[in-house]
Amino acid sequence: AQSVTQLGSHVSVSEGALVLLRCNYSSSVPPYLFWYVQYPNQGLQLLLKYTTGATLVKGINGFEAEFKKSETSFHLTKPSAHMSDAAEYFCAVSTDSRGADGLTFGKGTHLIIQP
Amino acid sequence: DVKVTQSSRYLVKRTGEKVFLECVQDMDHENMFWYRQDPGLGLRLIYFSYDVKMKEKGDIPEGYSVSREKKERFSLILESASTNQTSMYLCASTQGTYGYTFGSGTRLTVV
Repeated sequence: AQSVTQLGSHVSVSEGALVLLRCNYSSSVPPYLFWYVQYPNQGLQLLLKYTTGATLVKGINGFEAEFKKSETSFHLTKPSAHMSDAAEYFCAVSTDSRGADGLTFGKGTHLIIQP
Repeated sequence: DVKVTQSSRYLVKRTGEKVFLECVQDMDHENMFWYRQDPGLGLRLIYFSYDVKMKEKGDIPEGYSVSREKKERFSLILESASTNQTSMYLCASTQGTYGYTFGSGTRLTVV
């Protein structure tokens, strides 16, 4: 079975500063990795995903993540935080190429942007 | 864009009631899922389905059942609602791992 650990339930950064949200996974087979964002009272929106190929993945809204197999990590970064980035962020893993077994999520990180 | 539509954004039900949460997707996806979201616990998988009339238990199926009579519709059923089922419920669908699309969620309160 796979699992996901997100370090830090809350992360606070200043507007314009680097955003770094940490995600480590556990999987016995090559994983498919995802980051989702959730704004208040809304569903989840896909930020980016890693399936195969290039380990540095670029997503929407200036976010990117790097798959590091040796560290079992998939940390999310953004060079310069914007007030509109304030939201809940979820890292997730799947091991089924058909997508039939669903996603296993971390507990989420609430990103706070200080003006 | 794929749309996943959950019929209700907010629901208030009484303890012991039978509750139906409906989810419809419009892109002919084979796989559909029901998750429950609670603060500090993230999203937990309740049930999923990879084909019509097929269903599989997720991590927390107790107190829930599901129905998938048509490919586009996946219903979550609370047979006898209890206060500990007060939560946000999210439906999702996918075809392969190329994108899980989520609905906007149903916030259920059981009183």
